[in-house]
Amino acid sequence: RKEVEQDPGPFNVPEGATVAFNCTYSNSASQSFFWYRQDCRKEPKLLMSVYSSGNEDGRFTAQLNRASQYISLLIRDSKLSDSATYLCAVITNSGYALNFGKGTSLLVTP
Amino acid sequence: EAGVAQSPRYKIIEKRQSVAFWCNPISGHATLYWYQQILGQGPKLLIQFQNNGVVDDSQLPKDRFSAERLKGVDSTLKIQPAKLEDSAVYLCASSLDGGYGYTFGSGTRLTVV
Repeated sequence: RKEVEQDPGPFNVPEGATVAFNCTYSNSASQSFFWYRQDCRKEPKLLMSVYSSGNEDGRFTAQLNRASQYISLLIRDSKLSDSATYLCAVITNSGYALNFGKGTSLLVTP
Repeated sequence: EAGVAQSPRYKIIEKRQSVAFWCNPISGHATLYWYQQILGQGPKLLIQFQNNGVVDDSQLPKDRFSAERLKGVDSTLKIQPAKLEDSAVYLCASSLDGGYGYTFGSGTRLTVV
C-alpha cells in the first residue's frame, strides 16, 4: 500500500463549481501535511499547509483528520486558472522529506 | 531571492548511456533533495542531503544512480547506465526549515530512447 494515496481524477468541473479532493496517508506518525499545485510541465508549488484546526486561504480550505488519516482540499467558486494537478504531500520522518501522492488532475471548463 | 537552479532543462540520451544533472540550491539552505517524477505520478524522493551528508537514500537505485553534494552546496545526480524507465523529470528542491520551506527547481526532463 502506498503511503499517500489520492484519487487521480480527472475532475472536470464548470466554472463556479465547488470541488473537493481527498488524500489518505498510511503512517499514523506523519507529522506535517501540505497541498501542492503543479501546472503542466512545471515544478510543484506550495498551495497551503494543512493543520488539525483546518485552514482557509481565500477560496481554498484544507482540513486534516488525524483519526481517519486523511486530508482534504476544498476549492470554492472554481476559476479556469485553477486547472492543474493537486498533489497531497506528507512528512513522515524527522528528515523533513516530502512524500507525495500521485496527484489529482482538475480541469475547470467555461 | 534566487531560486533553485537546475541544468540542463532537457536531455535526450540512448539507453545504456550516462547522464548527469546539476542543482544549485537557494543560498543558505542546508537540506537538498532529488526527486524523480514519472509522467502521471507524484514526485518520488531519491536522495536527501543535509549539508554534504546523506540523510536518506533508501529509494535511490544505487546500482545505476549516484549523487553527491560536495562542500554542502551544489549537487549532481548521475545515472549510469540509463534505462528506458528512467525517463522522467528530475526535480531538485532545497529547504531551510523542512517541509514549510521547500522550494523546487524547474527540473530536468530526461528522455531515454
